[in-house]
Amino acid sequence: DAKTTQPPSMDCAEGRAANLPCNHSTISGNEYVYWYRQIHSQGPQYIIHGLKNNETNEMASLIITEDRKSSTLILPHATLRDTAVYYCIVRVTDSWGKFQFGAGTQVVVTP
Amino acid sequence: DAGVIQSPRHEVTEMGQEVTLRCKPISGHDYLFWYRQTMMRGLELLIYFNNNVPIDDSGMPEDRFSAKMPNASFSTLKIQPSEPRDSAVYFCASSLMATSPLHFGNGTRLTVT
Repeated sequence: DAKTTQPPSMDCAEGRAANLPCNHSTISGNEYVYWYRQIHSQGPQYIIHGLKNNETNEMASLIITEDRKSSTLILPHATLRDTAVYYCIVRVTDSWGKFQFGAGTQVVVTP
Repeated sequence: DAGVIQSPRHEVTEMGQEVTLRCKPISGHDYLFWYRQTMMRGLELLIYFNNNVPIDDSGMPEDRFSAKMPNASFSTLKIQPSEPRDSAVYFCASSLMATSPLHFGNGTRLTVT
């Protein structure tokens, strides 16, 4: 699976959009980009995933560059409850499902 | 759906004792994963199963660790004998298919004294 690079931390003001970057320059054509987050003392929570098209759901939007070497997770209106560690993961779509989590980005939403 | 259920939520034991962690995946999910999380090493994949068969156990730290999945609705992770360095939060997760998102339980916090 391709390796991902994320900033270790970032701050965001409550009510503003949070844009979380992820680099995955070695991504292959059959690899999806997944985003998870982990709120303190809870299990990781799935947010969104995509292959090459931009995706949106009730939680966030995922923007993938045309060359697929990077992506951005957008939380449109950050709240204090969005304070968490956010993980960007790239995974192949073969039959041997396997997720490897990196260090992630610690996002702190401030009032 | 009740989600992935792990038990116990907390476990405190003495060094040398056997510890068994339990997991009930979401019904119908074909994949089950065991992860361990520590401050130093983050989230580590220990082992995963597909249709109750262990596929990759390369993350299991040593022979003291073993995992089983006797049926589609139950899995155990056993540590025998336990050591203080095994102290961590252990998560179980399941997914429907290879490309499906993982659903995590709330973890078992293990403390070995």
